[in-house]
Amino acid sequence: GQNIDQPTEMTATEGAIVQINCTYQTSGFNGLFWYQQHAGEAPTFLSYNVLDGLEEKGRFSSFLSRSKGYSYLLLKELQMKDSASYLCAVLDSNYQLIWGAGTKLIIKP
Amino acid sequence: GAVVSQHPSWVICKSGTSVKIECRSLDFQATTMFWYRQFPKQSLMLMATSNEGSKATYEQGVEKDKFLINHASLTLSTLTVTSAHPEDSSFYICSATSGKDHNEQFFGPGTRLTVL
Repeated sequence: GQNIDQPTEMTATEGAIVQINCTYQTSGFNGLFWYQQHAGEAPTFLSYNVLDGLEEKGRFSSFLSRSKGYSYLLLKELQMKDSASYLCAVLDSNYQLIWGAGTKLIIKP
Repeated sequence: GAVVSQHPSWVICKSGTSVKIECRSLDFQATTMFWYRQFPKQSLMLMATSNEGSKATYEQGVEKDKFLINHASLTLSTLTVTSAHPEDSSFYICSATSGKDHNEQFFGPGTRLTVL
């Protein structure tokens, strides 16, 4: 079966750094996405990785290791507005997105 | 670019009525559109995938006769919840891909359905 695992909830402090991990087992791999979703809103795109390594985009970075079936999303200089759920999703061999359950990130002052 | 709209944003209806939700890609042609449902504090659940001009592919456990999907053009897909019941109350989100940009899905803002 296909499976994506990420922690259910994490807590961090404003101004700090947090790393949200995602491990996956899918039938094929055509890329991994990270989305941010605020409560009551639709997901918004954060990043896409298809090759191994780190992709940096402002305060957010995403890392991928295909051999380990592993990715992480790194958020720096945390702000209160970063409180949201972060969804990891993998594009499988049929180009279908397989979604993780999401990680709820709570930012404390 | 890559904007997807949904209408209505929220709807309240009586049990037994039907509700239609529209999903439009405003500035690109969507080769594929997806319909998701999300219950409170849960992740997205894919309901169906639709390609323009063909029948939608429904996920296991999703009743195709209850959730009618029409993808009549490359910019419009509709989801009709027929004979809605309170358990159908949920957040319905559509997304669309253009087949480019590594198949990134662009999401609509979602429709919150409450069935009384």
